[in-house]
Amino acid sequence: AQSVSQHNHHVILSEAASLELGCNYSYGGTVNLFWYVQYPGQHLQLLLKYFSGDPLVKGIKGFEAEFIKSKFSFNLRKPSVQWSDTAEYFCAADSNDYKLSFGAGTTVTVRA
Amino acid sequence: NAGVTQTPKFRILKIGQSMTLQCTQDMNHNYMYWYRQDPGMGLKLIYYSVGAGITDKGEVPNGYNVSRSTTEDFPLRLELAAPSQTSVYFCASSYTPGQGFVNEQFFGPGTRLTVL
Repeated sequence: AQSVSQHNHHVILSEAASLELGCNYSYGGTVNLFWYVQYPGQHLQLLLKYFSGDPLVKGIKGFEAEFIKSKFSFNLRKPSVQWSDTAEYFCAADSNDYKLSFGAGTTVTVRA
Repeated sequence: NAGVTQTPKFRILKIGQSMTLQCTQDMNHNYMYWYRQDPGMGLKLIYYSVGAGITDKGEVPNGYNVSRSTTEDFPLRLELAAPSQTSVYFCASSYTPGQGFVNEQFFGPGTRLTVL
């Protein structure tokens, strides 16, 4: 079964700082990878996804993620965060069994 | 399209009571899922369905039941509520063409349930 780990539980940073959130998955075969965001009081929304092809994927709101197969990683990045990026971020991966496994989530707080 | 809708938004139950959380999607998605979200734990899969009439257990199915009589609806039933079921419940759907891989999941707004 797939397991997903997110390295940071809570990240606090100032506006315009760069953000990188770590994500590692365990399944060694072909995987689909996702980053979801949950803004305060809202439901989960897709930020970006990787199925195949270019390992650097771009998503909404200036986010990008890099798939590194050799490291089983799919880290999320944003060069310059805004106050509105305050949210909880979830990494998810499938493992060819019709289900997604989610990481525990990283809470990002951006100070104005 | 309304997407994925869930009712109710909030509910307080007493221990031992029963209730059904409703979930409906209007995107003609074949796959539907129920998750619970607890602080610091991410999302845990309770049950999922790959099509009308087909359901299967996820990671944390104990204390819950589901049915899928139509493509659109996927209700979650709690028969004997316990404090451990206090959580936020999310329903999701996706169109997945098969072969095991999961496509993007679309989430509903959630139901916040408290069991006292």
